[in-house]
Amino acid sequence: DAKTTQPNSMESNEEEPVHLPCNHSTISGTDYIHWYRQLPSQGPEYVIHGLTSNVNNRMASLAIAEDRKSSTLILHRATLRDAAVYYCILRDFNAGGTSYGKLTFGQGTILTVHP
Amino acid sequence: NAGVTQTPKFQVLKTGQSMTLQCAQDMNHEYMSWYRQDPGMGLRLIHYSVGAGITDQGEVPNGYNVSRSTTEDFPLRLLSAAPSQTSVYFCASSYSGTGGQPQHFGDGTRLSIL
Repeated sequence: DAKTTQPNSMESNEEEPVHLPCNHSTISGTDYIHWYRQLPSQGPEYVIHGLTSNVNNRMASLAIAEDRKSSTLILHRATLRDAAVYYCILRDFNAGGTSYGKLTFGQGTILTVHP
Repeated sequence: NAGVTQTPKFQVLKTGQSMTLQCAQDMNHEYMSWYRQDPGMGLRLIHYSVGAGITDQGEVPNGYNVSRSTTEDFPLRLLSAAPSQTSVYFCASSYSGTGGQPQHFGDGTRLSIL
C-alpha cells in the first residue's frame, strides 16, 4: 500500500474552517484517496473519497492536488463534534488477495476543536 | 437505518474460553470484514468476505474463524481465547471491496481476556 503522511495533531476553533493535509507522494494511478475519522469510543466513520477531481459532500470537501501527490480535507465550519482522529488512506482499485477491501490506517491527525 | 450492528459491546473472557462476536448489516452489502484495533498499532484486518459462502484471511487471521451463511451476518469466532486477543474489534461492510467503495463500520466490541 502506498504510504500517507499526516500531521500528528491540529487545533481549530469552533465555527472556523479546518484544512487537514495529507501527503502521498508515491500514489499510483489506480489509488483512490479516502478519508475516515474516528470519534472517541466509536468505530471509524467514512468522510469522503476521490480519485482525481475535487469532491464535496454534506460532511466535507476534498481538494486533490493536480499531481495527486497531496490532498486536503476541508471541514467548512468545525463543531465540537468534529473532534476526532482523521485518517487519510489510499485504496488501490485493483488490490486483490489479502489486500482486497483492506483499509490501512496510519496514525492519523488528532483534531482538537476549541469552543 | 441500523447500518452495521455489533454485539456484544463489551465482553470479559477467561483464557481458553470460546465466544462469537456478532456482526449484522442491513444495507445488502456483499463485502464484510473484521478488524482489531490495538493501541499504537492502528486497525488490522483479520478476515473478510466477498459474499455469502466466501471468506478469506486478512493480515492477522490466527486464532479466529469466520463464516458467512447469509449476506447480512458475518460472525467472528474466537476458538480458545488468549490474552493477546484483548482488543477492540470492528466489523465493516461495503457494497464491494474495490478501492472506490466507502466502508461502514460498527461501534465495536471491547474484549478483555484474563
